[in-house]
Amino acid sequence: DTAVSQTPKYLVTQMGNDKSIKCEQNLGHDTMYWYKQDSKKFLKIMFSYNNKELIINETVPNRFSPKSPDKAHLNLHINSLELGDSAVYFCASSPYGSGNTIYFGEGSWLTVV
Amino acid sequence: SQELEQSPQSLIVQEGKNLTINCTSSKTLYGLYWYKQKYGEGLIFLMMLQKGGEEKSHEKITAKLDEKKQQSSLHITASQPSHAGIYLCGAESGNTGKLIFGQGTTLQVKP
Repeated sequence: DTAVSQTPKYLVTQMGNDKSIKCEQNLGHDTMYWYKQDSKKFLKIMFSYNNKELIINETVPNRFSPKSPDKAHLNLHINSLELGDSAVYFCASSPYGSGNTIYFGEGSWLTVV
Repeated sequence: SQELEQSPQSLIVQEGKNLTINCTSSKTLYGLYWYKQKYGEGLIFLMMLQKGGEEKSHEKITAKLDEKKQQSSLHITASQPSHAGIYLCGAESGNTGKLIFGQGTTLQVKP
């Protein structure tokens, strides 16, 4: 069983389009995250939600809007896609607080053309 | 802000050889995580270290955190092609579970 699953795994879309990436975790965790990995493999946090509430919002363009309908789901919607948005987006989850293992999904490869 | 520096950035070894990857922090580490990334498989959790001097092993991979809690090393014994991938160290930043990552070390193991 996949603990943290995200869809789609691959996405190729044109500039200016709006797209969403969905994430679900079946680990019973309270906290979920979105990370972005750029072309240089540098992995950086974008957002974190705890029990549907936003707790971390790094400096991310307003075009990126996370939504958590329940604590097992955290979706990422991106408006007006730009070439620079091309990256791998990882969803993750963990129990709330420090010292807990964070489990990552398999990533969603987004290519904007 | 805290930064993590990994070395080397890339590594090519012959199968059967031992290797070490280092992760150095600009601040004291309160939780140090090692992950492995293979294409199409996301990030696989390897180990987490919290105490100074702590050492953990899983199969042929050993991770250590120094006494000052500012440096960690990942050692692979008798490397195999299955060890190939990108190794990432991550550190907790704040008390929210947020991780910051090093730039990664790409490992290739030649048969």
